[in-house]
Amino acid sequence: GAGVSQSPSNKVTEKGKDVELRCDPISGHTALYWYRQSLGQGLEFLIYFQGNSAPDKSGLPSDRFSAERTGGSVSTLTIQRTQQEDSAVYLCASSLLADEQFFGPGTRLTVL
Amino acid sequence: AQKVTQAQTEISVVEKEDVTLDCVYETRDTTYYLFWYKQPPSGELVFLIRRNSFDEQNEISGRYSWNFQKSTSSFNFTITASQVVDSAVYFCALSEVNYGGSQGNLIFGKGTKLSVKP
Repeated sequence: GAGVSQSPSNKVTEKGKDVELRCDPISGHTALYWYRQSLGQGLEFLIYFQGNSAPDKSGLPSDRFSAERTGGSVSTLTIQRTQQEDSAVYLCASSLLADEQFFGPGTRLTVL
Repeated sequence: AQKVTQAQTEISVVEKEDVTLDCVYETRDTTYYLFWYKQPPSGELVFLIRRNSFDEQNEISGRYSWNFQKSTSSFNFTITASQVVDSAVYFCALSEVNYGGSQGNLIFGKGTKLSVKP
């Protein structure tokens, strides 16, 4: 069956521009998570969705970061006014309620 | 606060050697999950195992085995007879259990890069 998919796989943008990253979870998975992986910080949690609501946004690093999930499925992570420190690989994971998280291939974001 | 420590940054072994990756965790929760993920050079995180804090039985899956000891807050991972394909970064992670039994976000260690030479 299909795993978690993310698009784009690579994104290069200029400082100050907005970007949108998309995640398609495994069909039927109610929980969706966003993480980012950077050399300096390792793997960091950003936000968690249960259905369409986000009970835990504690990992979002600033108010430039936001995310939404619609129809209990696709999620979009938006970064406004990108900065060079936003450069990282953004990973999405999904799971059933109490099961293990399965990760997508990630979006590599480079901010010039 | 929750924390996962993987003290070994990099390990290099020769094929067929056994290797153990260490993981020490901190949490105030009495119920939690522990995980190991593998990240090969291709970059995608691959789930290996999840353990519930109430289940301290060691587990073996082929060449892989895991030793969970609550007394020392450790969840170590051993690869027996390592192979070149085992070369990857291995992450240990911890998550809380939310109300209703759902799994919280993962707290990752910094990872251990394993290189297996032929």
